[in-house]
Amino acid sequence: DIQMTQSPSSLSASVGDRVTITCRASQSISSYLNWYQQKPGKAPKLLIYAASSLQSGVPSRFSGSGSGTDFTLTISSLQPEDFATYYCQQSYSTAYSFGQGTKLEIK
Amino acid sequence: QVQLQESGPGLVKPSETLSLTCTVSGYSISSGYYWGWIRQPPGKGLEWIGSIYHSGSTYYNPSLKSRVTISVDTSKNQFSLKLSSVTAADTAVYYCYMVRGVMIGYYYYYYMDVWGKGTTVTVSS
Repeated sequence: DIQMTQSPSSLSASVGDRVTITCRASQSISSYLNWYQQKPGKAPKLLIYAASSLQSGVPSRFSGSGSGTDFTLTISSLQPEDFATYYCQQSYSTAYSFGQGTKLEIK
Repeated sequence: QVQLQESGPGLVKPSETLSLTCTVSGYSISSGYYWGWIRQPPGKGLEWIGSIYHSGSTYYNPSLKSRVTISVDTSKNQFSLKLSSVTAADTAVYYCYMVRGVMIGYYYYYYMDVWGKGTTVTVSS
């Protein structure tokens, strides 16, 4: 099984801040890494696929990078609607797995 | 526009089998792609349950594999989840999803692209 570990588990930030969330895989997954945003009571929403490709309709302040085992999701300038929980997910293996999530809260 | 809708009992007794169905509209399951289920216990993160290819090949979370069955009914454009011998730990919001993919360079990358709204299942006597 491929284990995904995110850090930090929670993060407080202010509108306008630049924020980075890290995801580490227990083995190399090349660029088979996706990022999702989830708001309370809602289904997850795809932000980034293939580690760095921005899903259609997602604001350009979101970006992803990394390959192998270490990946990052960056929000360049936080907006009020960005406060949510973020998950990474690997699709290298047919047995998918998610990170434990990073909750982004307003400072 | 592809839409997914979960349906099934909201309350299941311990030791019984949880059964959910996801109805797909706007796309024919038999045309391709992967389909599957995740769940989210109250206040916790996302847990992948399993996927099924339109042809019927299945892939399950190793920790749930002995209790999970995912199947497809192309005639109804639905796919289903069965989870046996449930306990309180199986109480969660269950989401169905569609996996799409894209070719980048020489490789095909998959991602969960479309989701149902989720359905809450409580395991209790």
